[in-house]
Amino acid sequence: DTAVSQTPKYLVTQMGNDKSIKCEQNLGHDTMYWYKQDSKKFLKIMFSYNNKELIINETVPNRFSPKSPDKAHLNLHINSLELGDSAVYFCASSHPRGDSNEQYFGPGTRLTVT
Amino acid sequence: AQSVTQLGSHVSVSEGALVLLRCNYSSSVPPYLFWYVQYPNQGLQLLLKYTSAATLVKGINGFEAEFKKSETSFHLTKPSAHMSDAAEYFCAVSEGGGYNKLIFGAGTRLAVHP
Repeated sequence: DTAVSQTPKYLVTQMGNDKSIKCEQNLGHDTMYWYKQDSKKFLKIMFSYNNKELIINETVPNRFSPKSPDKAHLNLHINSLELGDSAVYFCASSHPRGDSNEQYFGPGTRLTVT
Repeated sequence: AQSVTQLGSHVSVSEGALVLLRCNYSSSVPPYLFWYVQYPNQGLQLLLKYTSAATLVKGINGFEAEFKKSETSFHLTKPSAHMSDAAEYFCAVSEGGGYNKLIFGAGTRLAVHP
């Protein structure tokens, strides 16, 4: 059974386009995250939602807009795509009532902007 | 502010040799520490975590890590490397339960030679 899933796995698009990445988790977790991994493999948090409420927003351009229709889903919409947005985007989830912030990651979405 | 430093962006070992991947952290509160592994074109998989219980933590695939507060370190080791261990390894720190983000190190690429 897939725990955290993302679609699509690969996304190739042109500058200026708008695109969305979808994330779903079936772990019953309350908290979901988006991370960006750049070309040097560096991972950085972008957003976090808890029960559909935004709780972390890390100085991300407002072209990026997360949306959480329910606690099992966290989608990422990106407007006016730029070359620098090319990266791998990972969704993750965790249970905030656990004794640690152990996060489970999805397989990633490789976004290429041309 | 929390931070993680992984010494050595590339580590190369022979099959059967000891694996040692170094991680030092900075945190103003007792940290929660994690090691994740990323195989090519895949997501991140949790290897092990430290959550203030035992300082020597055993994880999957024969890996273990020791939390040393005096050295602010959480180095990852494996007694005998296997070809299948070749991957990117990330150390991460969190302030703990709840909604806290993971702060990742830059990663260490482990190569295993026959």
